[in-house]
Amino acid sequence: GENVEQHPSTLSVQEGDSAVIKCTYSDSASNYFPWYKQELGKRPQLIIDIRSNVGEKKDQRIAVTLNKTAKHFSLHITETQPEDSAVYFCAASPLNDYKLSFGAGTTVTVRA
Amino acid sequence: EAGVVQSPRYKIIEKKQPVAFWCNPISGHNTLYWYRQNLGQGPELLIRYENEEAVDDSQLPKDRFSAERLKGVDSTLKIQPAELGDSAVYLCASRTTGTPDTDTQYFGPGTRLTVL
Repeated sequence: GENVEQHPSTLSVQEGDSAVIKCTYSDSASNYFPWYKQELGKRPQLIIDIRSNVGEKKDQRIAVTLNKTAKHFSLHITETQPEDSAVYFCAASPLNDYKLSFGAGTTVTVRA
Repeated sequence: EAGVVQSPRYKIIEKKQPVAFWCNPISGHNTLYWYRQNLGQGPELLIRYENEEAVDDSQLPKDRFSAERLKGVDSTLKIQPAELGDSAVYLCASRTTGTPDTDTQYFGPGTRLTVL
């Protein structure tokens, strides 16, 4: 089955700086890669996703890049704000299988 | 539009007791998932339903866990008997089909289970 590894496990950044989280996956059949944000005690919420037919996708301060050859994808958050503090999870799934395998999560802390 | 609803939000039981969790997916969502999230980890799939059919239950510990989605809408996940290691957050998610965001899974708030 799919194995997703996520690094780092914790990340502390100064407000206004950028944050980068990296994930690798094992199953070359995976072609859907969502990122979820989970605030303490709340539900995971999708913040951005990417499919394997594109290499990069951007939504305001958030961007995701995908390298299918190397089997890794990354989340980039620019101009970080205190409300970006949360746990971020990457996931991977073969398209049309809809079975998400999640990374272990990255706890992001934005220092004011 | 109402999101995925789960109840109860918190449950504390003693080991060997039974427990049940309920989930109501987003209206019209055919696919329903149950995940378990251990502390400090990502969610792990337990079972996936397409309408009323369980199409992937390979990760469900069938000796003590059971689930049902009788009418293809809401679902119940049961543990009997509960063990200490079952303490976790149980998340329900749902997904629609036939729309541009068909891949997106929407999560409920989860049920935090503590087994004493």
